[in-house]
Amino acid sequence: QVQLVQSGAEVKKPGASVKVSCKASGYTFTSYDINWVRQATGQGLEWMGWMNPNSGNTGYAQKFQGRVTMTRNTSISTAYMELSSLRSEDTAVYYCAADPYWGQGTLVTVSS
Amino acid sequence: QSVLTQPPSASGTPGQRVTISCSGSSSNIGSNTVNWYQQLPGTAPKLLIYSNNQRPSGVPDRFSGSKSGTSASLAISGLQSEDEADYYCAAWDDSLNGLVFGTGTKVTVL
Repeated sequence: QVQLVQSGAEVKKPGASVKVSCKASGYTFTSYDINWVRQATGQGLEWMGWMNPNSGNTGYAQKFQGRVTMTRNTSISTAYMELSSLRSEDTAVYYCAADPYWGQGTLVTVSS
Repeated sequence: QSVLTQPPSASGTPGQRVTISCSGSSSNIGSNTVNWYQQLPGTAPKLLIYSNNQRPSGVPDRFSGSKSGTSASLAISGLQSEDEADYYCAAWDDSLNGLVFGTGTKVTVL
């Protein structure tokens, strides 16, 4: 069956970077765009950007331009989202999604 | 800050019909299709409706979507206790060149 399995929870200090992985299985990885969405505790969904796993083309939300990088390794069907210059407001659960399939989410906590 | 506006809450008794609205503008709903997502407590969102009114395989036909102008709606007929969740609309925004989500609606089954 189709699965998107994300890496485990992370705790980072302000100013650091985090890289979350999203491993796809059960379908052709290069066939569907991957979107990254985050959700702070008790808040709504926030789109961060998309990546075409075939071409590597990306598009980022204006809010994250310059701080986010989305990449992939097609040989292992894995997408990555790296967010730099972390601040406390970046504490959230980060999801990868290739509709209709979503990863289980990765909690990133930013705390000094 | 979300650019698609939803009511914060909606409720109904089992078997009732509940409708959730999603209000946008000409740059998003007015010119692009709408998806709806269901998020059960503590879980990842699930695609419920795509392309305004299409249901992915496995989604009950109790869920239906529609769009008119710069607004969209999600209807849940025959409300069930397991429908208690948060619901979000989403659409591409041509001005922002990005995907925008609605503010979210919490559905409570009384």
